[in-house]
Amino acid sequence: GQSLEQPSEVTAVEGAIVQINCTYQTSGFYGLSWYQQHDGGAPTFLSYNALDGLEETGRFSSFLSRSDSYGYLLLQELQMKDSASYFCATGGNQGGKLIFGQGTELSVKP
Amino acid sequence: DTGVSQDPRHKITKRGQNVTFRCDPISEHNRLYWYRQTLGQGPEFLTYFQNEAQLEKSRLLSDRFSAERPKGSFSTLEIQRTEQGDSAMYLCASSPPGGANYEQYFGPGTRLTVT
Repeated sequence: GQSLEQPSEVTAVEGAIVQINCTYQTSGFYGLSWYQQHDGGAPTFLSYNALDGLEETGRFSSFLSRSDSYGYLLLQELQMKDSASYFCATGGNQGGKLIFGQGTELSVKP
Repeated sequence: DTGVSQDPRHKITKRGQNVTFRCDPISEHNRLYWYRQTLGQGPEFLTYFQNEAQLEKSRLLSDRFSAERPKGSFSTLEIQRTEQGDSAMYLCASSPPGGANYEQYFGPGTRLTVT
């Protein structure tokens, strides 16, 4: 089977840095993706790691360690608009579906 | 470039009725996915098309669920004899040919409420 685990919620203040962790168990691994979903909105793609290491995209960075079956999303210079749910996901086999974690609800406080 | 669109956005139906949802993917995207999302959970995969071929179907998708993509463009998801447990957000996503499946473009979803 395939499963991804994330903390259910995280709270941080504006301007701070927050890290959202994701551990996974999959049979066959095709990289780790991160999606953002605002309340009532559609999930939108943020980042992807196929190989170990850090990928940086503006204020957001994502890290992967395949040997530890672990990744994280790092959000810097937090803004109120970053309040949303964040999902890690993996493609469990070639070509098709994504398997999502249950999501981490991030609340950014002033 | 228009995004993925879904219709209707909201549907309220009585238990036992049939419902059909439509998804229009981004025009050049040949892959189309259906997911279901309940409150506080991540999207759960239902089924996946490449062009008009349905390549994978989740075991979550009981015999009451059927999906089609007859001309490789828009897709429909039908639920027969709806049950209260079918209440959820139904999300459609698409991805382009030659791209990796990890970047999928999601529509706004159809929220189904079964009373």
